[in-house]
Amino acid sequence: DVKVTQSSRYLVKRTGEKVFLECVQDMDHENMFWYRQDPGLGLRLIYFSYDVKMKEKGDIPEGYSVSREKKERFSLILESASTNQTSMYLCATVHRESGNTIYFGEGSWLTVV
Amino acid sequence: AQSVTQPDIHITVSEGASLELRCNYSYGATPYLFWYVQSPGQGLQLLLKYFSGDTLVQGIKGFEAEFKRSQSSFNLRKPSVHWSDAAEYFCAVASGAGTALIFGKGTTLSVSS
Repeated sequence: DVKVTQSSRYLVKRTGEKVFLECVQDMDHENMFWYRQDPGLGLRLIYFSYDVKMKEKGDIPEGYSVSREKKERFSLILESASTNQTSMYLCATVHRESGNTIYFGEGSWLTVV
Repeated sequence: AQSVTQPDIHITVSEGASLELRCNYSYGATPYLFWYVQSPGQGLQLLLKYFSGDTLVQGIKGFEAEFKRSQSSFNLRKPSVHWSDAAEYFCAVASGAGTALIFGKGTTLSVSS
């Protein structure tokens, strides 16, 4: 069974705080992605990684960074949280064994006050 | 650049009636196409995908989709809708297997009794 775990489901942070969102997969997958989801805008790609220590910007990377020190963990970092980063954040990974299907975690709801 | 358009923001269908959700994509080469469903407060679940071959694709929960290259479309269909199908549906495109998905803005499906 494919498992993508986002450890924090609900977070409330203050403006200016540094925020870490963690995503872990236990299937030795190379490709991992971070999206944010907002009503009426669908899912937008923030960053992705195709291997350890590798990262690529997606469509909306401003205000975010990522870290991929180990294959199983892909972290999204908000260096200085702002209210316009209040959103649902979704992590995803590619499962090659099921025909390169992309599986998503349950999501992390972040509120910045 | 790739893009996806879901023309219908919200659709209401009577239980037992047929359903068609529209999706148009923009991509120069042969796309990889996906439909995901998201129930309230949940992550995304893959309904079906098209990579190549037969243009009529069967998915889970009785859904199917047809790839029409001439119309740049990948519409989702179900012959008889159940109340449990009420959710948000996302169409997505990728340039290759395992690469980042570009999503449409979603269509919310309501089912009336």
